Formats: sequence, C-alpha cells, structure tokens
Amino acid sequence: TQLLEQSPQFLSIQEGENLTVYCNSSSVFSSLQWYRQEPGEGPVLLVTVVTGGEVKKLKRLTFQFGDARKDSSLHITAAQPGDTGLYLCAGDNAGNMLTFGGGTRLMVKP
Amino acid sequence: DAGVIQSPRHEVTEMGQEVTLRCKPISGHDYLFWYRQTMMRGLELLIYFNNNVPIDDSGMPEDRFSAKMPNASFSTLKIQPSEPRDSAVYFCASSFLRDTPYFGPGTRLLVL
Repeated sequence: TQLLEQSPQFLSIQEGENLTVYCNSSSVFSSLQWYRQEPGEGPVLLVTVVTGGEVKKLKRLTFQFGDARKDSSLHITAAQPGDTGLYLCAGDNAGNMLTFGGGTRLMVKP
Repeated sequence: DAGVIQSPRHEVTEMGQEVTLRCKPISGHDYLFWYRQTMMRGLELLIYFNNNVPIDDSGMPEDRFSAKMPNASFSTLKIQPSEPRDSAVYFCASSFLRDTPYFGPGTRLLVL
C-alpha cells in the first residue's frame, strides 16, 4: 500500500499570514495532485505536478514536487478567509488509482 | 454540464436497513469511482468502473457493500444491512480516460 502523509493535520491562522503544508511518502509517484475541499462539497483539483522539482503557481498558491517525486508541498502567501478548507494531496502511480493523503484542514480567520 | 450528480444528499437510517446511493456521472466520462470519506480514514476508494464494467472492488469493505453500473449514465452503491460504522460521506467521481476525476457533492450517511 502506498501511503501519503500530510502535515499538519490542522492549521488555524490569521488572514495575511503565510503557510506551508506537506505531503510525504516513501513511494515514488508518476504525478501528484492537490485538491481543495470545501464543506458540503467534493474535492476539486487545484494542480497536477509531474516532473521532479517542478514548481507551479496558482495566484497565491505555490506547489512543488520533490526531486525524487516522493513528496510535495503547498505554500500559501497572504492567506485569505476564502482559502479555508481541506487540502488533499493524491499520488498517481501509473497503472494504479489515486492514493489520497489524510488532508490538512486549514482555517483562515479574518 | 451539471457535473456529477448524487442522490440523496443526506440519508439517515437505522441499523439493519438497506441504503442505496445513486450517481449520475458527467456525460462522456468512461470511468466512475465510489469513494468513502471519514475523519479517521480519510478518502478511500471503494470501487471503480471502466465503461460500466467493475475493474477493482478491493476497497469494498464487506459483502454488505455492492455497486452496479447498468449503463453509462447511472451507478448505485448499496449497503445491506447498514451498520453505524458505515456512517460517512460517500462520493462518486467520474473521469474521461484516467484524466482528472470530477467529484460529486457527496451523500452524507448516518446510520443510527
């Protein structure tokens, strides 16, 4: 079983602060996806990273795939209350279905 | 497109009762997935279909769980008999080939 561990599990910060969440595994993935899930809804894909060392930016969100393709991070700059939600990473090992991490539950207070 | 449609959105039932969850995938998508989400175990894949054929049901927890996909636009997940530990949010998702999965809004199930 390929496991993805996310940290921290919970994070509560003030509006305007920066934060980083991590997604780690002992397994190599062909690609890794990040999702955001809001209360009462299903996860929505934010980004897919494919190449080791790849960095992708989505407005104030920066995603990085580790060089060895075993880990990833999500950095949010100047967090806003609208960033509140559950952030999930999911690894794709070609030939198998996605493996989801346990998630990081983020709350941004105004 | 209306996205993935799930019904009901909420279900409260008593232990021992049969529960049927329904899903309409996005038109044209050939993969359909059923997931279960709990605080303890996160998001788990239960079963997935390709072109209406079940491919991998290794995530189905017990024989009490069964899933069908009679046609490309409809799938059901049935729990019979239901137990309190089945309480969770059940998501259906669909994708074209094995591209990005699109999730439905989920069915929140509470078994008393």
